[in-house]
Amino acid sequence: GAGVSQTPSNKVTEKGKYVELRCDPISGHTALYWYRQSLGQGPEFLIYFQGTGAADDSGLPNDRFFAVRPEGSVSTLKIQRTERGDSAVYLCASSIQGGNEQFFGPGTRLTVL
Amino acid sequence: GENVEQHPSTLSVQEGDSAVIKCTYSDSASNYFPWYKQELGKRPQLIIDIRSNVGEKKDQRIAVTLNKTAKHFSLHITETQPEDSAVYFCAATRYNTDKLIFGTGTRLQVFP
Repeated sequence: GAGVSQTPSNKVTEKGKYVELRCDPISGHTALYWYRQSLGQGPEFLIYFQGTGAADDSGLPNDRFFAVRPEGSVSTLKIQRTERGDSAVYLCASSIQGGNEQFFGPGTRLTVL
Repeated sequence: GENVEQHPSTLSVQEGDSAVIKCTYSDSASNYFPWYKQELGKRPQLIIDIRSNVGEKKDQRIAVTLNKTAKHFSLHITETQPEDSAVYFCAATRYNTDKLIFGTGTRLQVFP
């Protein structure tokens, strides 16, 4: 079946702009995760959804970052007033309820000029 | 919170040799330890994982060992091939369906 997909694959924006990044998890996966990966680093946890609710948002760096998953499937990561330091690859992953294995999407490379 | 350290940051080996990557974790409650392989510009892909009730797991040329007492776990790749060249990440987590805490990665280069 289809894996985790993310759109767009690349996003270039200007400092101060608003961006939305989308994640389509594997069908039937109830858990969805967002990670951020800076160059040369491991993925860093941002937020985790179980169904429609955010079960853990402790990794969001500040209140400019927000994520939703209104119907328990697709999720959108929203970043307001982007800063150059937000430039990174944003990865999404999903897993079945009670499962450990997380399947990653290809990521969205965000560049803030 | 959990902290995962990974060594070495880079590793170069000759084709056919073995490669070992080591990780340590801080949270004694962690019970699931996956290893991901990430090729340049691609998504992380799970290559092997181990749970805390097991000391070793093998899958063809890849093996993972876990020492819960020392809070160490290691990835072993035997008979390395050029296509094994990638960045490898270890990770740890406490519960089913919980966030992964990743190490900083090891860039493995296998020379023909």
